[in-house]
Amino acid sequence: KQEVTQIPAALSVPEGENLVLNCSFTDSAIYNLQWFRQDPGKGLTSLLLIQSSQREQTSGRLNASLDKSSGRSTLYIAASQPGDSATYLCAVRGRSYGQNFVFGPGTRLSVLP
Amino acid sequence: EAQVTQNPRYLITVTGKKLTVTCSQNMNHEYMSWYRQDPGLGLRQIYYSMNVEVTDKGDVPEGYKVSRKEKRNFPLILESPSPNQTSLYFCASSLSEGRGKKLFFGSGTQLSVL
Repeated sequence: KQEVTQIPAALSVPEGENLVLNCSFTDSAIYNLQWFRQDPGKGLTSLLLIQSSQREQTSGRLNASLDKSSGRSTLYIAASQPGDSATYLCAVRGRSYGQNFVFGPGTRLSVLP
Repeated sequence: EAQVTQNPRYLITVTGKKLTVTCSQNMNHEYMSWYRQDPGLGLRQIYYSMNVEVTDKGDVPEGYKVSRKEKRNFPLILESPSPNQTSLYFCASSLSEGRGKKLFFGSGTQLSVL
């Protein structure tokens, strides 16, 4: 069964710092990996999607990488801002489980002014 | 506008009173899913559907029912709600063709069972 973990569980940084969030998965037979942002009590907003054949995707200050063979993805946030404070979740879409999505528990990020 | 619509946004009910949370998407997506989110437990899948009339249990299906009679709708039914089903619920959808297909979420339904 696919399992997804995220490290760290929580992170607090001062404004302006660059930071990295980590996502690991146990089964490398995936179609894609997606990073989401969730504000408290709100829905999930898709940030980046990396296909299994890709190594990375970029959107503005965000860069996501994928190393399928080692079962790892990272989300890099450059020049963090207080508005980046949220919970970040990764999800993998597997080939082995009816193309179902499996989510990690999330990393709660606080960017301090 | 492409979207996943859940209703209601907030719901307070009492133990044992049957309720339905609706979910509709306008993107012709084959895949739809229901999740619940609780503090400290993350996002847990309740049921999912790969297409019309095809549904499968997720990680926490007990106490819930779903149906997929039409492609656009995937209602979540609580036949006899209990307080432990108090939670924030999300519906999501995606195309079934695996590669490069994003998962889209509804805005959520906050359910309180008294």
